[in-house]
This record gives sequence, C-alpha cells and structure tokens, in this order.
Amino acid sequence: DTEVTQTPKHLVMGMTNKKSLKCEQHMGHRAMYWYKQKAKKPPELMFVYSYEKLSINESVPSRFSPECPNSSLLNLHLHALQPEDSALYLCASSQLTSGRGEQYFGPGTRLTVT
Amino acid sequence: AQKITQTQPGMFVQEKEAVTLDCTYDTSDPSYGLFWYKQPSSGEMIFLIYQGSYDQQNATEGRYSLNFQKARKSANLVISASQLGDSAMYFCAMREANFGNEKLTFGTGTRLTIIP
Repeated sequence: DTEVTQTPKHLVMGMTNKKSLKCEQHMGHRAMYWYKQKAKKPPELMFVYSYEKLSINESVPSRFSPECPNSSLLNLHLHALQPEDSALYLCASSQLTSGRGEQYFGPGTRLTVT
Repeated sequence: AQKITQTQPGMFVQEKEAVTLDCTYDTSDPSYGLFWYKQPSSGEMIFLIYQGSYDQQNATEGRYSLNFQKARKSANLVISASQLGDSAMYFCAMREANFGNEKLTFGTGTRLTIIP
C-alpha cells in the first residue's frame, strides 16, 4: 500500500478564517512533507518532519503552522491567509533509512483564499 | 544556477511512439539521487523511477527507463510505446547527499500530450 491520503480535497476560506489540512500515511514512513504548488510550477517544499520532529522549515510565513501528532499523521494549520496563498497543497512521505527514499504524494488539497 | 533543468516546456507525441524527456542537473556532491514524477491533471504526483549516482546500470521500471549519462549530468526519461494515459506533467528531481538529506529539488517540468 503506497497511499497517502489528504483531506479535504478542496477548501475555500476567507482571510480571517482558521482551517487545517490533514495528511495520513500507513506505510511506516518516518519522514513527512508539506509542499505548496502554484499552477504550472513545480512543488515548493514548505516543511519536513523526520521522526515526528520538524527538521526543515523553508522560511514559511507563520500563518502556516505544521504539526505532526504521530508518525502517521501530519497537519497544516492555516490562519489569516492571503489570496496569494491559494494553491495546491501536497503532502508526501518517505522512508528515512537506506533505500531509494522516494517520496509518495497524496492527491493534494486545492486551497482558495478569498 | 539551476540545479535541475528541463528544457522542453511541452511535447506532443503520437500514441505508441517512444518519447524522451530531457533533464540535466548540476551538483558537486558525488552522492545524489535522481527521480522522475508524473503529475496528471488531477494533481497527484506519481513516482516513476529512481537513479542513484553510484548505480552502474540505467534504471528501468516497466515502460519507463532512465538514460543516465553521469559525465554529461543528464538523466533523461524514456517512455516506450506511449499511451493516452501518459498525457501529464513530468518533473525531474534531485536529492543531494543521498541519505540523510530529504530535500528534493524539482525542475520546471515538461507537459507531455499524447495524440491519438
């Protein structure tokens, strides 16, 4: 099973709202990632969690707040977003030990900020 | 300098023909991994194939093969006998210092359209 699930599939929120994106995997992967992807662009890395600890933060604004409650779950809390934050948000996971370490992606959440 | 360069923004290929998607990379690290991902219009990134910098043979996965030319720093994806379902965006990506560094650098992508 190489499935990463993400909810919701679509989200429309106002600039004053607080919402959360959720990601789950059951592949035993110990690295989990959040990416942001604008139309016709490659994914941009936002955060990496390794063994449930934040290991990479790509200077993301504080209105995005990641959380890794356990090894299977990853959340992205959103607050006071701007219209330019509208994008596809992708979650991914990978092994951390030996091997190819390829990342498996979820289907994404299409976020629109109004 | 771009770490991953994909020079073909778009390609149109007749169904059942083979297609080569170009990717060149730039790194001074002797240990790295190269990946190709497919992204259909639905949005999900699908892992296709991997090549490690120390791998002696070119990687193959079904209809996908990777033409790895280390001296030229190129890692082109070859899709044999293309199908309509191959129409998608394709991204080449690199991970430097193969283990322990989880950051992927993506190219700008190539949009492949298969014509019936």
